[in-house]
Amino acid sequence: QSALTQPASVSGSPGQSIAISCTGTSNDVGGSNSVSWYQQHPGKAPTLMIHEVNNRPSGVSDRFSGSKSGNTASLTISGLQAEDEGDYYCTSYTTIKTYVFGTGTKVTVL
Amino acid sequence: QVQLVQSGAEVKDPGASVKVSCKPSGYTFTDHYIHWVRQAPGQGLEWMSWIIPNSGDSKCAQRFQGRLTMTRDTSISTIYMELSGLTSDDTAIYYCTRGKYRYAYDYWGQGTLVTVSS
Repeated sequence: QSALTQPASVSGSPGQSIAISCTGTSNDVGGSNSVSWYQQHPGKAPTLMIHEVNNRPSGVSDRFSGSKSGNTASLTISGLQAEDEGDYYCTSYTTIKTYVFGTGTKVTVL
Repeated sequence: QVQLVQSGAEVKDPGASVKVSCKPSGYTFTDHYIHWVRQAPGQGLEWMSWIIPNSGDSKCAQRFQGRLTMTRDTSISTIYMELSGLTSDDTAIYYCTRGKYRYAYDYWGQGTLVTVSS
């Protein structure tokens, strides 16, 4: 099972919006609405930001939103803030009942 | 409050096995899957396996088949992950995490650093 493909880095200025893509196949991203997104700061465990494509857990800012089209999912961060800097990972359930993570994206706030 | 507490750091020789424990608290042990995720130094996250604490059923990523064993002890509400045939490529922080919603993970352990070195 190959890792889902994410851009290595995305950057934006404070207040701007950015989008992070997550591309898989019909065996994972395209096979169900199971994509979730995680934020990770250096030296810390990941934090869940979005589950089941576009659902925010309580406590997560509404500046974070998710979507999916075919085999590609996306995470959008609106009104970018300095605290949004970090690494972001997507993950998807697969048709063989395993999970696969994305390659990870480093978000930089300019 | 929900917590997942993992066992401490390990240093192992190549070819050896390592067993890492994960003890959840703050919720009913059998109500949630437990997943294992690892992160090599400076690298991304890698999903390894899930286990159903109630039944003990488990599933692991194909690349670990044959050398990854998941077990649980319901009497002490603890999950174990054992990886054998260690190589330097297995040097990583190993996290246990609780399954939440249908396909996500919410609470994470503090991580266990496993170093494989001769």
